[in-house]
Amino acid sequence: SQQGEEDPQALSIQEGENATMNCSYKTSINNLQWYRQNSGRGLVHLILIRSNEREKHSGRLRVTLDTSKKSSSLLITASRAADTASYFCATVGNYGQNFVFGPGTRLSVLP
Amino acid sequence: DAGVIQSPRHEVTEMGQEVTLRCKPISGHDYLFWYRQTMMRGLELLIYFNNNVPIDDSGMPEDRFSAKMPNASFSTLKIQPSEPRDSAVYFCASSSWDRVDYGYTFGSGTRLTVV
Repeated sequence: SQQGEEDPQALSIQEGENATMNCSYKTSINNLQWYRQNSGRGLVHLILIRSNEREKHSGRLRVTLDTSKKSSSLLITASRAADTASYFCATVGNYGQNFVFGPGTRLSVLP
Repeated sequence: DAGVIQSPRHEVTEMGQEVTLRCKPISGHDYLFWYRQTMMRGLELLIYFNNNVPIDDSGMPEDRFSAKMPNASFSTLKIQPSEPRDSAVYFCASSSWDRVDYGYTFGSGTRLTVV
């Protein structure tokens, strides 16, 4: 299975703090993607990192990828209450679009 | 583009009834996915299509589930007969291989309750 596993399952921080979530996977990948899901809504694509990349930035988001450890991390800097959501990583294998999500990290940002 | 459009948003049905969920992907996207989300099992990939052809349906739980994509702009997921354990939120997503950096675009989901 290509399934990513996020860690921690739940995270609660104060507004302004940084939030770090981790994702581990089992087999080789073409790319890894992070998504956000607000309660009762669909998933929203945040950022994609390819297997030959080590770090990527998008606004307050920073994603790292360590293919030797088969892990990725998502850092949200200067968190806001609006960042409260579940965050999922998903991996795409080298041979197609078999796209599997992990169980997610529930982030709560307290004002 | 209006995004991925799913209907209905909510569906409540009695056990044994047929349920049909609908999805309109983003125009130009060549991949379409059906996912199911529950608290217990998280997000499960049920089936995906490429250019209207089913590629992998290994996630379809039982023969009671079937999915079709008669054309590039429409797909259905049918459950017949429905059971209470089918209660979940069903998401449709689409993507384009040419624009993989944009990831998948998800619809708002259909919340199915089988009583």
